[in-house]
Amino acid sequence: QKEVEQDPGPLSVPEGAIVSLNCTYSNSAFQYFMWYRQYSRKGPELLMYTYSSGNKEDGRFTAQVDKSSKYISLFIRDSQPSDSATYLCAMIGSGNTGKLIFGQGTTLQVKP
Amino acid sequence: DAEITQSPRHKITETGRQVTLACHQTWNHNNMFWYRQDLGHGLRLIHYSYGVQDTNKGEVSDGYSVSRSNTEDLPLTLESAASSQTSVYFCASSGDTLGTLHFGNGTRLTVT
Repeated sequence: QKEVEQDPGPLSVPEGAIVSLNCTYSNSAFQYFMWYRQYSRKGPELLMYTYSSGNKEDGRFTAQVDKSSKYISLFIRDSQPSDSATYLCAMIGSGNTGKLIFGQGTTLQVKP
Repeated sequence: DAEITQSPRHKITETGRQVTLACHQTWNHNNMFWYRQDLGHGLRLIHYSYGVQDTNKGEVSDGYSVSRSNTEDLPLTLESAASSQTSVYFCASSGDTLGTLHFGNGTRLTVT
């Protein structure tokens, strides 16, 4: 069983839809949770960063962490065609500088 | 602007040949990482370095080596290329904040 599980999709939605992307994990030592966005033929870029449980909002994006359920989510409101990309969840324990564990990534297509 | 560059962007090589992928960052980060990305596996850590002369094995290090002679560069060497090493390779760097990686745009390697 993988430490981090993420549905690879692909996920296709119409423009303006609310998108929910999710990851589950098994290691209770994870404390820092990230979402990276990766456009085709580009490297991943950090989109959201959260510590421990709770919500964080940045514009149309909301990251949610539920440590009790070992479940994290990324919500995208009013989705745009420019949001079409692969979204990777990543997480790390406090003692591992930079050694992120990534999910497989979910490919999202937002249709105009 | 600071950046991380990888070269070449594309490489085709034959089984058994030695190949070196270059990674150069101008962030002045101590931490550098090599990942490979494959369908169904997401990003997997190959090697990483926390500073000059420091190198460490990741989860898929067999057949790969790195060296760190200065802050800016972490070249990845495939000692004897195998078809199983056909993949997209990403280099990344990070500063002190856990989980905040800056990625290059990748090298697509094909081993024939």
